[in-house]
Amino acid sequence: AQTVTQSQPEMSVQEAETVTLSCTYDTSENNYYLFWYKQPPSRQMILVIRQEAYKQQNATENRFSVNFQKAAKSFSLKISDSQLGDTAMYFCAFIPGAGSYQLTFGKGTKLSVIP
Amino acid sequence: DAGVIQSPRHEVTEMGQEVTLRCKPISGHNSLFWYRQTMMRGLELLIYFNNNVPIDDSGMPEDRFSAKMPNASFSTLKIQPSEPRDSAVYFCASSLSIRPTTNEKLFFGSGTQLSVL
Repeated sequence: AQTVTQSQPEMSVQEAETVTLSCTYDTSENNYYLFWYKQPPSRQMILVIRQEAYKQQNATENRFSVNFQKAAKSFSLKISDSQLGDTAMYFCAFIPGAGSYQLTFGKGTKLSVIP
Repeated sequence: DAGVIQSPRHEVTEMGQEVTLRCKPISGHNSLFWYRQTMMRGLELLIYFNNNVPIDDSGMPEDRFSAKMPNASFSTLKIQPSEPRDSAVYFCASSLSIRPTTNEKLFFGSGTQLSVL
């Protein structure tokens, strides 16, 4: 069974600064996919960024980037130039690549951007 | 498209009552998921439909829970009778493909906050 661990229940960052959210996972799969989802107060889960395990290059989406360390089973999210709208819960998630449809989520990190 | 639409947004009921949560997936999506979110357990998959057919309901907690998808544009999750431990946020999500999170994005609704007193 796969597990996803987010060790930081809460974090805060000053507006315009950079923050990194941590995520580790455990799996015996060789090919899989990792995700970061954002859940603002509106509750809707929004995909922030996606990484395929067989790709060595770290994914980036505008101000969001990941540091994917496959050997260490680590998948951290870096948010640059933090904005007030980044305040939300952030969930790390995992799915095996072998035809699975079931996402395994971490417990989340509550990020507060301080003006 | 309006996205995945869930109703009601909030539901407060008394223990023992029947509760029905509703979901309208994005038009053209053939995969639909129901998730439950609690503080203790996080997000858990309850049931997965593909082309209106339940494929995996192993996450449904017990017989009090049932889900249906009578057509491609509508799904329900029913709890009967409801209990206080069912209090949670229930999400519906849809996607174009059977492996939604690899080739296609998974779109979530805004969830239903259920409180069972």
